Amino acid sequence: AQSVTQLDSQVPVFEEAPVELRCNYSSSVSVYLFWYVQYPNQGLQLLLKYLSGSTLVESINGFEAEFNKSQTSFHLRKPSVHISDTAEYFCAVSAPQGGGYNFGAGTRLAVHP
Amino acid sequence: GAVVSQHPSWVICKSGTSVKIECRSLDFQATTMFWYRQFPKQSLMLMATSNEGSKATYEQGVEKDKFLINHASLTLSTLTVTSAHPEDSSFYICSARGDRGYNEQFFGPGTRLTVL
Repeated sequence: AQSVTQLDSQVPVFEEAPVELRCNYSSSVSVYLFWYVQYPNQGLQLLLKYLSGSTLVESINGFEAEFNKSQTSFHLRKPSVHISDTAEYFCAVSAPQGGGYNFGAGTRLAVHP
Repeated sequence: GAVVSQHPSWVICKSGTSVKIECRSLDFQATTMFWYRQFPKQSLMLMATSNEGSKATYEQGVEKDKFLINHASLTLSTLTVTSAHPEDSSFYICSARGDRGYNEQFFGPGTRLTVL
């Protein structure tokens, strides 16, 4: 089975500062990895995903994440955050062949002016 | 493409009544759908896996008689919360596995259930 650990429950940061949200996974087999964002009282929105190929994946709104197999990590980064990035971020892992996703506990990103 | 809808988006019911939540894949066929629940300020927990034409598979600790799942077609799965109680109040989110042959899932917008 796969599992995900998000070490930071909350990350406060000032606007235009860089940010990194950490995600480590545990699995004995290959995995798919995802980052989702959830705004208050809304569903999940996919930010980016790693299925295979290039280990660096990017989203359209400036976020990127790098799959690091040796460190079993998939950290999310953004070089300059905006107030509108304030939300809950979930890292998730799944097995390529099937099964539900296992979600991390979530990281609350709070961007301050 | 790959849009999943849920209906209703929110529902309030009295304790003891049953509530049905629908999950539809709008532009693709989904042989497998998943149901998750999310308590306030917590993460999503997988409840069950729904396969078209067969019985759902429930995660440990999830009461199958309480949460009835039916996947009658390739585009529709329903979750019925039977004899709902206040502790069943939660955000219920479904996902549908895509039809591209690998395990990428597309999530619905969620249904907020409040049991009074």
